[in-house]
Amino acid sequence: DIQMTQSPSSLSASVGDRVTITCRASQGISNSLAWYQQKPGKAPKLLLYAASRLESGVPSRFSGSGSGTDYTLTISSLQPEDFATYYCQQYYSTPQTFGQGTKVEIK
Amino acid sequence: EVQLVESGGGLVQPGRSLRLSCAASGFTFDDYAMHWVRQAPGKGLEWVSGISWNSGSIGYADSVKGRFTISRDNAKNSLYLQMNSLRAEDTALYYCAKAEAPIADSVSDAFDIWGQGTMVTVSS
Repeated sequence: DIQMTQSPSSLSASVGDRVTITCRASQGISNSLAWYQQKPGKAPKLLLYAASRLESGVPSRFSGSGSGTDYTLTISSLQPEDFATYYCQQYYSTPQTFGQGTKVEIK
Repeated sequence: EVQLVESGGGLVQPGRSLRLSCAASGFTFDDYAMHWVRQAPGKGLEWVSGISWNSGSIGYADSVKGRFTISRDNAKNSLYLQMNSLRAEDTALYYCAKAEAPIADSVSDAFDIWGQGTMVTVSS
């Protein structure tokens, strides 16, 4: 199975900050990488897929990059509604696997 | 409106069975693979099982292989998960999720639509 390691596991940031979350796969996943946002008591929401393709309706302050084993989610200017937990997921091979999550909290 | 609604969760004793259902609406159900993803209380996300649009490809996490069976009825726009020999570690919120890409023969997908989840608690 491909292991997904997210970092950091949590971070504190202020509104307007630029935030970066990284995800490292245990082997190459050819950009088969998705990012999700989950708020308490809610289902996850797809933000990006294929590493950098923005899901319809997702604000452009979210962006993704990377290749091979290393991928990044960037929020260019953190908004109040962005405080949540973020997960990466590889879907290069079955079983598809998630990172352990990054909780973004208010500083 | 695109929607997934799960049902069938509840409290069950270890070793017993439960069948989850997911009713889909608002999209062409038989164009997409479908999946079950679970989340134990306070924990992260774990993919459980997936089934391709025509049931030709099916996959399971090692943790449920041999105990859980996924199926779908395209005529009823429904997805199912038969869970047998349940264990305490199966306690979780079970989400039904739709594959982002249509008509793929694999069950490796991003998930663009999620239901609200149905809670399964395995305890004596």
